Amino acid sequence: EAGVAQSPRYKIIEKRQSVAFWCNPISGHATLYWYQQILGQGPKLLIQFQNNGVVDDSQLPKDRFSAERLKGVDSTLKIQPAKLEDSAVYLCASSLWETQYFGPGTRLLVL
Amino acid sequence: DQQVKQNSPSLSVQEGRISILNCDYTNSMFDYFLWYKKYPAEGPTFLISISSIKDKNEDGRFTVFLNKSAKHLSLHIVPSQPGDSAVYFCAASGNSGYALNFGKGTSLLVTP
Repeated sequence: EAGVAQSPRYKIIEKRQSVAFWCNPISGHATLYWYQQILGQGPKLLIQFQNNGVVDDSQLPKDRFSAERLKGVDSTLKIQPAKLEDSAVYLCASSLWETQYFGPGTRLLVL
Repeated sequence: DQQVKQNSPSLSVQEGRISILNCDYTNSMFDYFLWYKKYPAEGPTFLISISSIKDKNEDGRFTVFLNKSAKHLSLHIVPSQPGDSAVYFCAASGNSGYALNFGKGTSLLVTP
């Protein structure tokens, strides 16, 4: 069974630029999550989708972050404009029930 | 507001011995707990979980213990192997669907 796929794996941008990350969950997993992991911290939930509907986006900085999950499969997370403090690993996870399975993450560096 | 706490940033254990990683939580609404293992430059890998109706769950060398009254869980690895060297994250869910609240992680080093 293929795992969660994410791209790109690494991205370096300058502050105020835009960036987008892509995630393909495990086939059949209805729930998809985006987490932000800052160095030395545990992952923090940004947004949770159930199929193509948003379940929880309370911790998403909506002035600069947006996410969508069209057709209830793939998802895209966008940052526009990026700030220095957005430097982190962005993790996508998917689940059928309680257990979440994570992709390899996208490491973002904002200069 | 850190609802899941891993108070030991690092732990060093000799190969063959037991590794015990600890985790505390503050939210009594949490009812499902998981441990993830993370290698550098990879995403977290699911290791083992336990629901609040149990106090112990075993999977091979890995056992998780849950003490609900103390709001404490622990992961035991017996025997420890050098390949177990990684960062271990404790996570909990239950107060908001299945979204996970993570601790900061404990870095385990198993020495030969």
